[in-house]
Amino acid sequence: GAVVSQHPSRVICKSGTSVKIECRSLDFQATTMFWYRQFPKQSLMLMATSNEGSKATYEQGVEKDKFLINHASLTLSTLTVTSAHPEDSSFYICSARNAENTLVSNQPQHFGDGTRLSIL
Amino acid sequence: AQKVTQAQTEISVVEKEDVTLDCVYETRDTTYYLFWYKQPPSGELVFLIRRNSFDEQNEISGRYSWNFQKSTSSFNFTITASQVVDSAVYFCALSEARTGGFKTIFGAGTRLFVKA
Repeated sequence: GAVVSQHPSRVICKSGTSVKIECRSLDFQATTMFWYRQFPKQSLMLMATSNEGSKATYEQGVEKDKFLINHASLTLSTLTVTSAHPEDSSFYICSARNAENTLVSNQPQHFGDGTRLSIL
Repeated sequence: AQKVTQAQTEISVVEKEDVTLDCVYETRDTTYYLFWYKQPPSGELVFLIRRNSFDEQNEISGRYSWNFQKSTSSFNFTITASQVVDSAVYFCALSEARTGGFKTIFGAGTRLFVKA
């Protein structure tokens, strides 16, 4: 079963709306979560690393004020796309790292099923 | 800086053919992890395999096999007797332990079409 829950799976909204996407680790504590963005027929591009209790680390070229990340608990990270515009339409995927078994587990990082964001 | 190259953008094969997807990586870290993921049209990522940098054993899982060659920095993936259900985008990925903070960087992906 899914160990990372991402919600919502699909969002369609008007330009100017802010959209919040949640990423929850269901049966483990995730001190670190990652947010990726994927344009059609392209690869997953890492946007930011979300650390519980501290500020997120953004990759070069990613606007911090545009993509707000909050990791307030060990099982929840949220990505808020502020004042979304059509160019923000994309597939957003989160992943959560199980810190306890990173070195021994075959699958130390679990991905959510993604959120398809469409801005009209 | 870590980098993953999947030179094959698209591959088209006929069912039952074998197909190999190439992956070449770059890293300065001595401890790293390599992955292969499958992404069907529905979009979710399906984990296939992880290989640690200190474990060069090749692996076979059913029709899937992986060839890890540290000397050439390659981690190739072979599907034997391909099936239509194998049609998807396949991503090779790299995670650096020490310098990368375990963040995972993906290759561009190889889109595999398996025709009946």
